[in-house]
Amino acid sequence: AQSVTQLGSHVSVSEGALVLLRCNYSSSVPPYLFWYVQYPNQGLQLLLKYTSAATLVKGINGFEAEFKKSETSFHLTKPSAHMSDAAEYFCAVSEYSASKIIFGSGTRLSIRP
Amino acid sequence: DTAVSQTPKYLVTQMGNDKSIKCEQNLGHDTMYWYKQDSKKFLKIMFSYNNKELIINETVPNRFSPKSPDKAHLNLHINSLELGDSAVYFCASSQAPGLYEQYFGPGTRLTVT
Repeated sequence: AQSVTQLGSHVSVSEGALVLLRCNYSSSVPPYLFWYVQYPNQGLQLLLKYTSAATLVKGINGFEAEFKKSETSFHLTKPSAHMSDAAEYFCAVSEYSASKIIFGSGTRLSIRP
Repeated sequence: DTAVSQTPKYLVTQMGNDKSIKCEQNLGHDTMYWYKQDSKKFLKIMFSYNNKELIINETVPNRFSPKSPDKAHLNLHINSLELGDSAVYFCASSQAPGLYEQYFGPGTRLTVT
């Protein structure tokens, strides 16, 4: 069965610092992986998606994620945090045979001035 | 043009009442979903329809009844509302089940008093 674990329910970084949000997945077959962002009082918005084409995936707003099969990880990074990045971030996994996406528990990102 | 829209955005009601939430997508997608997000931001899938057919029915009280009159609409009716039903309910759609990214509506914040 597929599952997703996000390490750290809350991450706080200074403006301009590196953002690293951790995600590990469990899947019996090659998965599709997603990162979504939820700004306050809004729905979820897709940041990026891994579909096995390339291990380094670039998304919107300067975010990127690297798929590492040996570590079963799909961590999200951004070189320089901006105040507007403050939001809740969700990692998610899906398999070809599944009819749904499994979401992680979310990581709240705070940006310090 | 809003891709996935929900009405109402806020719903405040008393225990025991019956209420409905409506969802519409103009993306031409075949699959629609209902999620419940609790106060800790945990996202739980409730139902999914593909081409108007119910394909996911998670462990949800039978007080919740979805209805899909056509591929562009998915409504959620809740009978005999309870305090524990208070949450944000999100509608989402995707091109097809499983591997495809989902597009979320803005959410309906339900408060049961």
